Amino acid sequence: DTEVTQTPKHLVMGMTNKKSLKCEQHMGHRAMYWYKQKAKKPPELMFVYSYEKLSINESVPSRFSPECPNSSLLNLHLHALQPEDSALYLCASSWGPRETQYFGPGTRLLVL
Amino acid sequence: AQSVTQPDIHITVSEGASLELRCNYSYGATPYLFWYVQSPGQGLQLLLKYFSGDTLVQGIKGFEAEFKRSQSSFNLRKPSVHWSDAAEYFCAVVTNTGTASKLTFGTGTRLQVTL
Repeated sequence: DTEVTQTPKHLVMGMTNKKSLKCEQHMGHRAMYWYKQKAKKPPELMFVYSYEKLSINESVPSRFSPECPNSSLLNLHLHALQPEDSALYLCASSWGPRETQYFGPGTRLLVL
Repeated sequence: AQSVTQPDIHITVSEGASLELRCNYSYGATPYLFWYVQSPGQGLQLLLKYFSGDTLVQGIKGFEAEFKRSQSSFNLRKPSVHWSDAAEYFCAVVTNTGTASKLTFGTGTRLQVTL
């Protein structure tokens, strides 16, 4: 089983709202990732967690706050977002940093 | 810096025709290379990967890719395209950043299939 699940599938939020995206995997993977993907562009890496510790932060604005409560779960907390943050947010996981990444279906976020 | 180039932004093929999507990489050592496919509004699905060994790699859905070190290429092929293959295709390489590794994607190739 190579399934990564993401909730919600769609999210609409105002610029003053606080919301969270959730990602879950039960493959025993120890690395988890958040990507942002704008239309007609490749995914852009935001954060990498390795063994539940943040190992890469690609200079993402502080209005995005990642959290890895345990090895199966990854959250992305959103606060005071801008309309340009509207995008598809993808989660992925892998056995380790150099291993194959498996992607979830994504959360389509619209910021009004 | 490690990078991946996909020269073709958009390709159109007829159903039943053969397909080749190009991918060139820039990497000093033996690269870890991947091809992913993405249908509109969906996540990325792994088609195949190359780490080492046999340079001709078989993947899902009838796809294959050949690693050619001399040409720094990892082109994706399919002998007979189906209408359901219409999607965005991304080539990617694992790149090292000192303390961690990450996946660097090409800009993607959009495949359109005509009936």
